[in-house]
Amino acid sequence: QVKLLQSGAELVKPGASVKLSCKTSGFTFSTSYMSWLKQVPGPSIEWIGWIYAGDGGTNYNQKFKGKATLTVDKSSSTAYMDLSSLTSEDAAVYFCARGIYPGITQDWGQGVMVTVSS
Amino acid sequence: DVVLTQSPATLSVTPGERISLSCRASESVDTYLHWYQQKPNESPRLLIKYASQSISGIPSRFSGSGSGTDFTLSINGVELEDLSIYYCQQGNSLPYTFGAGTKLELK
Repeated sequence: QVKLLQSGAELVKPGASVKLSCKTSGFTFSTSYMSWLKQVPGPSIEWIGWIYAGDGGTNYNQKFKGKATLTVDKSSSTAYMDLSSLTSEDAAVYFCARGIYPGITQDWGQGVMVTVSS
Repeated sequence: DVVLTQSPATLSVTPGERISLSCRASESVDTYLHWYQQKPNESPRLLIKYASQSISGIPSRFSGSGSGTDFTLSINGVELEDLSIYYCQQGNSLPYTFGAGTKLELK
């Protein structure tokens, strides 16, 4: 069955960077759009961007350009998101999700909590 | 950005009743409107895609309708396991956006 397994919770210092991973199985990774989303208590959800695993093409929410960088490793069917220059505004739960078309997310990872604190 | 306004913010329900949740878009999203269910401490789950298309494995009591700017998620015979937050999301124009959610609680 479809699985998206995200890396564990992160505690990072302000100004630092963090790389989140999302290891997938159970579907054709190379024809999938891998999205990343941010959820803060509220409980609003924001779409950060997607990466097409086949060719690495990306599309970002303008709000997250310069903050998030999406990459994939097709050999391990894993998607990654780098978050840079972290501030308290970046503290949230981050989800990876996959879709066969952009704009829709059919399956989600379990989410990872990122805490920003000195 | 397309703003999705969900109403009501909270709905108190009795098991067995039929309910409708609303999602209104600030501009037309055609039928690129999807519904998700999120239970506490879980990931969102896709319930309905493209406004009215069913998803394999989702109970048939969930249905969706609408196009353009007005959309509805209906639950025909609410069950206790349906007590969750429901989000709509548009995939028509970038950036994709979510509504603030409707929380179903027990009356």
